[in-house]
Amino acid sequence: AQSVTQLGSHVSVSEGALVLLRCNYSSSVPPYLFWYVQYPNQGLQLLLKYTSAATLVKGINGFEAEFKKSETSFHLTKPSAHMSDAAEYFCAVSDQSRGSTLGRLYFGRGTQLTVWP
Amino acid sequence: NAGVTQTPKFQVLKTGQSMTLQCAQDMNHNSMYWYRQDPGMGLRLIYYSASEGTTDKGEVPNGYNVSRLNKREFSLRLESAAPSQTSVYFCASSVKFGGNTIYFGEGSWLTVV
Repeated sequence: AQSVTQLGSHVSVSEGALVLLRCNYSSSVPPYLFWYVQYPNQGLQLLLKYTSAATLVKGINGFEAEFKKSETSFHLTKPSAHMSDAAEYFCAVSDQSRGSTLGRLYFGRGTQLTVWP
Repeated sequence: NAGVTQTPKFQVLKTGQSMTLQCAQDMNHNSMYWYRQDPGMGLRLIYYSASEGTTDKGEVPNGYNVSRLNKREFSLRLESAAPSQTSVYFCASSVKFGGNTIYFGEGSWLTVV
């Protein structure tokens, strides 16, 4: 079975500082991995997605994430935080089995990012 | 660019009342989902429909029913609402089931008093 652990339910950074949001997964088969962002009172939007191609994945708004199989991690980073990055971020995992119950997404509990001026 | 549209956006129910959340997508997606979001719990899957004509239970199906009315529409029904069902509900869809990007609606805030 798949699961996701997001370390830290709240992360605070200063504007211009590095953003690092941690995600570890467990999966019995090679996974697909996702990061979604949720702005206040909105639905989730896809930031980026890993599907077994390049291990460093670039997403929207300057975010990127690196798949590290040996560490079972998929941490999200951004070199320089902006006030507009304040939101809740969700990591999710799915395996590559199609047409089965294993194909669904499993979400982490989310990390709230606060950016201080 | 409608994407996934869900209604109503806000609803207050009394315990024991019933209601249906409506969802429609205009992206010709095969798979649709209903999630609930509670503070500190992330998103939990209630029901999903991998393709038109099929529905399956997710993690937290108790107290809910769903109908995949056609390829576009997937409704969620609360037959007898309970305070524990106070939550934000998200409808979502994807091209097909399994490893694909899921697109979310904007959410429905439901309060059961």
